[in-house]
Amino acid sequence: DARVTQTPRHKVTEMGQEVTMRCQPILGHNTVFWYRQTMMQGLELLAYFRNRAPLDDSGMPKDRFSAEMPDATLATLKIQPSEPRDSAVYFCASGLVPLGPKHNQPQHFGDGTRLSIL
Amino acid sequence: ILNVEQSPQSLHVQEGDSTNFTCSFPSSNFYALHWYRWETAKSPEALFVMTLNGDEKKKGRISATLNTKEGYSYLYIKGSQPEDSATYLCACRVSGNTPLVFGKGTRLSVIA
Repeated sequence: DARVTQTPRHKVTEMGQEVTMRCQPILGHNTVFWYRQTMMQGLELLAYFRNRAPLDDSGMPKDRFSAEMPDATLATLKIQPSEPRDSAVYFCASGLVPLGPKHNQPQHFGDGTRLSIL
Repeated sequence: ILNVEQSPQSLHVQEGDSTNFTCSFPSSNFYALHWYRWETAKSPEALFVMTLNGDEKKKGRISATLNTKEGYSYLYIKGSQPEDSATYLCACRVSGNTPLVFGKGTRLSVIA
């Protein structure tokens, strides 16, 4: 089965350090999403791309977070500088824009990056 | 802003019991509703995608219904088993071009 691959699975680092999380979407999927799992908000959408173009990153703190998609097989989420409040599990998901209501497909999630900022 | 509400927030049932929980969404501008099953320390796994009023979907002991006119979907689990313990997420979108908006989930614990 095709899968969304995220690396690293776990990351522990000190505050102030740069953190880069990577995602390889399912081949052929044209939309990539970054989510953050928090206790209060559940799955919070940070940013998403369609055909590699950023469509919405309003969910991200702009001063420290950045999301890019340098090619169709790689999406990155960077935090610089990192802060303890950034500690969370970050999920990447990919999917296809439906051709119509009957062509809706689910999003497929990676296993997440568990980030701890000390 | 699309608001997706799930209830209850958590649920404890005995093995063998049947259970159900609710996802509510604005009935205007509805495009599709997705149910996901999310086990601890794993990634959310798609269960159903529903688009039409009156849709009913079934996968094993799990089924779901959709009422777009009144803005709700029910997820049913028949004869709950301990392996059904997970958080069940509902997500909606208002068009094919907009991202899914997730509810906060219903955390189900099935006690053996």
